Amino acid sequence: SQKIEQNSEALNIQEGKTATLTCNYTNYSPAYLQWYRQDPGRGPVFLLLIRENEKEKRKERLKVTFDTTLKQSLFHITASQPADSATYLCAPGKAAGNKLTFGGGTRVLVKP
Amino acid sequence: GAVVSQHPSRVICKSGTSVKIECRSLDFQATTMFWYRQFPKQSLMLMATSNEGSKATYEQGVEKDKFLINHASLTLSTLTVTSAHPEDSSFYICSAREEQGAGEKLFFGSGTQLSVL
Repeated sequence: SQKIEQNSEALNIQEGKTATLTCNYTNYSPAYLQWYRQDPGRGPVFLLLIRENEKEKRKERLKVTFDTTLKQSLFHITASQPADSATYLCAPGKAAGNKLTFGGGTRVLVKP
Repeated sequence: GAVVSQHPSRVICKSGTSVKIECRSLDFQATTMFWYRQFPKQSLMLMATSNEGSKATYEQGVEKDKFLINHASLTLSTLTVTSAHPEDSSFYICSAREEQGAGEKLFFGSGTQLSVL
């Protein structure tokens, strides 16, 4: 069955450093992969989408890579700030309109 | 960006009562909406796909008679937790896609924390 894995351990990082999160999937060939941010007690917020034919995508201090051979996506937060502290969820998808299944999320804590 | 409004944000009820949660797309039309539930420190679990004008599609293991979904218009979907019990206590979140523009990303409501006593 389809499986999406994210590091369940919280990532503690010093302000200014780069945080790198991993999303691995098995038994699945997604057409794209999305990353969301979720703050406690709130709904997730869309951050980035990367398609299977794209190697890398950037948005401000965020960078996402997508390796379909390794079945893995990496999510980087550069020059991290305390305001980046949140849980980050990955969600591989097949096609527009289809339901999205989310990974377990990785909690990031940026310390000043 | 598109806005999804979800109400109420928090509800406390007695065991055996029913609770209705509303999800509205404020500035766009949503043929399809999705309902998730989330337990503390766990990820989102898809419960059902709500389709405007037709029956919802439920995920395996989700009781359709327990969690009633109605999607009567292109901007409103409701989830009713019938005869709620303490084990139904959870964080419920709805989401929707814009029908035009970027079709893949989801816009989420702010969630409803349900506590059943």
